[in-house]
Amino acid sequence: GDSVTQMEGPVTLSEEACLTINCTYTATGYPSLFWYVQYPGEGLQLLLKATKADDKGSNKGFEATYRKETTSFHLEKGSVQVSDSAVYFCALSGSTSYDKVIFGPGTSLSVIP
Amino acid sequence: DTAVSQTPKYLVTQMGNDKSIKCEQNLGHDTMYWYKQDSKKFLKIMFSYNNKELIINETVPNRFSPKSPDKAHLNLHINSLELGDSAVYFCASSQVSPGQGAYEQFFGPGTRLTVL
Repeated sequence: GDSVTQMEGPVTLSEEACLTINCTYTATGYPSLFWYVQYPGEGLQLLLKATKADDKGSNKGFEATYRKETTSFHLEKGSVQVSDSAVYFCALSGSTSYDKVIFGPGTSLSVIP
Repeated sequence: DTAVSQTPKYLVTQMGNDKSIKCEQNLGHDTMYWYKQDSKKFLKIMFSYNNKELIINETVPNRFSPKSPDKAHLNLHINSLELGDSAVYFCASSQVSPGQGAYEQFFGPGTRLTVL
């Protein structure tokens, strides 16, 4: 079945450091890919998405490119801030059913001043 | 305006009790979901309703029963609560359009359930 794998956390970075959170997926068909972010004490919210191969999603300085050849959707940011501290979830949908979203296990990021 | 709201935000109860969590969305979406998030932040889908009809029912104990009185509401009732039910429960909604591309899920703020 479809699945999403993310790098294990927690990840701790200093402010202004570069961030990469790896995400790879297994799916039949042509899924859409997402990154969701969960700030402390809140629900998940969509950070960015990509619907087809080579699409790049971007938002709030974060970027991720849909790489079909490597089945990856790595999240990157050039300079993190303390306010980026959160849990990040990679997800896919639409591979075999549009009704269900498959979430990765989440990667916790802490940014220290 | 809150898009997806849940009540209560915190729920502390004794083992064996029955409790309900309510969810409402004002986005006009067709599909609503319940997720369970454990202490390690792992998110597991429990149920999904589309226009009041159950479409996803993952392997969840039958002590959990969702109810959708209309497409804007999806409530979760839990009978005979157990220690292992302690978690954060999230409601979400989305507009599902097969063949139309990606859709976004909108999450509520969560209900933290603690079973003592």
